[in-house]
Amino acid sequence: AQSVTQLGSHVSVSEGALVLLRCNYSSSVPPYLFWYVQYPNQGLQLLLKYTSAATLVKGINGFEAEFKKSETSFHLTKPSAHMSDAAEYFCAVPGGNKLTFGTGTQLKVEL
Amino acid sequence: SQTIHQWPATLVQPVGSPLSLECTVEGTSNPNLYWYRQAAGRGLQLLFYSVGIGQISSEVPQNLSASRPQDRQFILSSKKLLLSDSGFYLCAWSTGGAVETQYFGPGTRLLVL
Repeated sequence: AQSVTQLGSHVSVSEGALVLLRCNYSSSVPPYLFWYVQYPNQGLQLLLKYTSAATLVKGINGFEAEFKKSETSFHLTKPSAHMSDAAEYFCAVPGGNKLTFGTGTQLKVEL
Repeated sequence: SQTIHQWPATLVQPVGSPLSLECTVEGTSNPNLYWYRQAAGRGLQLLFYSVGIGQISSEVPQNLSASRPQDRQFILSSKKLLLSDSGFYLCAWSTGGAVETQYFGPGTRLLVL
């Protein structure tokens, strides 16, 4: 079954610094991959979705992710962090009728 | 536009009491519906999903059950709550299978004492 691994349950960056959140998928190449964001006490919302059409995927709020087959990775990046980016981020991969989520990375943005 | 509602927003229940959480979707027909649970330090766990009225697939054996009495209504229930049932319960819908975007509700925070 497909799975994803998120390295680093907590990441802290300074405002204005680069954000890098890591996600690696299991060995078989998935046709789809997702990044979702969850703000405190809210449901999840879609940040971006990889559909095999392009390896670099742009999402909302200035985030993007690059699919790298050689590294089995789909890391999420943002050039300059903003205080409003503080949230939990989940990578996810579909398999059968369900979506399998990673364990999440809590992003903290400091002044 | 489509919207998803969950209620109640928060709930404090004693161990052994029953549970009923409701989720409704507006603005779409025949959605796939999902129940997830987030427990502290345990990520997002899929509990049930449904592809149609009366069709429920269970992912995790436990004392919870789900029902879909109407096309856009999804109910999560328990006859007797356990302490371990505490968590943040999220309902979600999508237009099709797992490759489609899932849209999440605001969640219900359940504390079992």
